[in-house]
Amino acid sequence: EVQLLESGGGLVQPGGSLRLSCAASGFTLSSYAMSWVRQGPGKGLEWVSVISGSGDSTNYADSVKGRFTISRDNSKNMLYLQMNSLRVEDTAVYYCAKDPKRVDPSSPFDYWGQGTLVTVSP
Amino acid sequence: SYVLTQPPSVSVAPGQTARITCGGNNIGSESVHWYQQKSGQAPVLVVYDDSDRPSGIPERFSGSNSGNTATLTISRVEAGDEADYYCQVWDSNSDQRVFGGGTKLTVL
Repeated sequence: EVQLLESGGGLVQPGGSLRLSCAASGFTLSSYAMSWVRQGPGKGLEWVSVISGSGDSTNYADSVKGRFTISRDNSKNMLYLQMNSLRVEDTAVYYCAKDPKRVDPSSPFDYWGQGTLVTVSP
Repeated sequence: SYVLTQPPSVSVAPGQTARITCGGNNIGSESVHWYQQKSGQAPVLVVYDDSDRPSGIPERFSGSNSGNTATLTISRVEAGDEADYYCQVWDSNSDQRVFGGGTKLTVL
């Protein structure tokens, strides 16, 4: 059974940093691209970042480019999101989501974690 | 960047058919995916590549995509279908994945 479990959320001040983790199980992580998707309070879904199965290709939403870094450790079945220079508008539930393929940007997200809440507030 | 437009809300009586639209410039040339998100839960994929259903998703859920509009159709709506629904595509020009604003389905 595919399972994704996020952790690392919390309260941080504007300008601060936070590192999110996503523990994957039930599948071979290296075979699939992985993404982070966020949802602000009372708002819709916003794609944040994607990383290929091997980790050699990444992409980011314009809203986080230059501030967030996605990475993975396939040997540990872990996905990460390093968030720097955080802003109030980054407040959201952050989900990790799995692609059904190693590299295909037109793919859907076939499995989602339950999310971890990040609150950026003075 | 590519914009996907969804109606904020759709209401339907139980047993009737709900249609949720997703508008975008020439969206018919894109692969559209649909997600259901119930209150307090993570999203669930219900339709992918315009009209395919993941295993475990009832046949009542179907999709179509042509021209400037993609549509998620839910037949014989049940109370348990009440949720927010999001469409999503890949914008090849910006190489970014894009979500629609979401539609709240209310079962009367």
